[in-house]
Amino acid sequence: QLQLQESGSGLVKPSQTLSLTCAVSGGSISSGGYSWSWIRQPPGKGLEWIGYIYHSGSTYYNPSLKSRVTISVDRSKNQFSLKLSSVTAADTAVYYCARERSGAAAFDYWGQGTLVTVSS
Amino acid sequence: QSVLTQPPSASGTPGQRVTISCSGSSSNIGSNTVNWYQQLPGTAPKLLIYSNNQRPSGVPDRFSGSKSGTSASLAISGLQSEDEADYYCAAWDDSLNGPGWVFGGGTKLTVL
Repeated sequence: QLQLQESGSGLVKPSQTLSLTCAVSGGSISSGGYSWSWIRQPPGKGLEWIGYIYHSGSTYYNPSLKSRVTISVDRSKNQFSLKLSSVTAADTAVYYCARERSGAAAFDYWGQGTLVTVSS
Repeated sequence: QSVLTQPPSASGTPGQRVTISCSGSSSNIGSNTVNWYQQLPGTAPKLLIYSNNQRPSGVPDRFSGSKSGTSASLAISGLQSEDEADYYCAAWDDSLNGPGWVFGGGTKLTVL
């Protein structure tokens, strides 16, 4: 059974960089046919897709966040990461990592989510 | 403001059939498939329907999806108390401003 687990700093100061990692177990992140996404949800609000990285390493970002986002993969550790720079209070959210199955074009596995608060 | 439009709330009594709508445009629902996610309180979203009307293994057939033009719907028949959750629609958007995944604002379903 595939499992995804987010980890990282739960508190980030304004203007700094948010860094999160998603560890994948029960399957290889290098397997073809999948991409690996970050999605966030501000408290009490809806879902927002941040971006994804393909098994090949190519990336695609939400245009509204593109200038501040970097998603990378560490195949040796079977994990992928998110960096979001110049954060503000508006970036406070639960951050989820998720797998997209290309054939179905849907997020079929999700991590449990991790709350990141931006505050001084 | 979400790209896909959902009603903020819906309700029904046990056993009833309820539907949740999701309205988009030609660049998203009109040209791509729609997925639905269920989010129980305090948990991560779970894939409920993919490719407009397909159920992943383990999802009861009480849940069904449909799409017509630039709109989609999720129907829940035989409503149960455990169906009380937030429901989100999603689709890929081919917008010239920058393609990507877009979600609806979510519909909170209350079982009365």
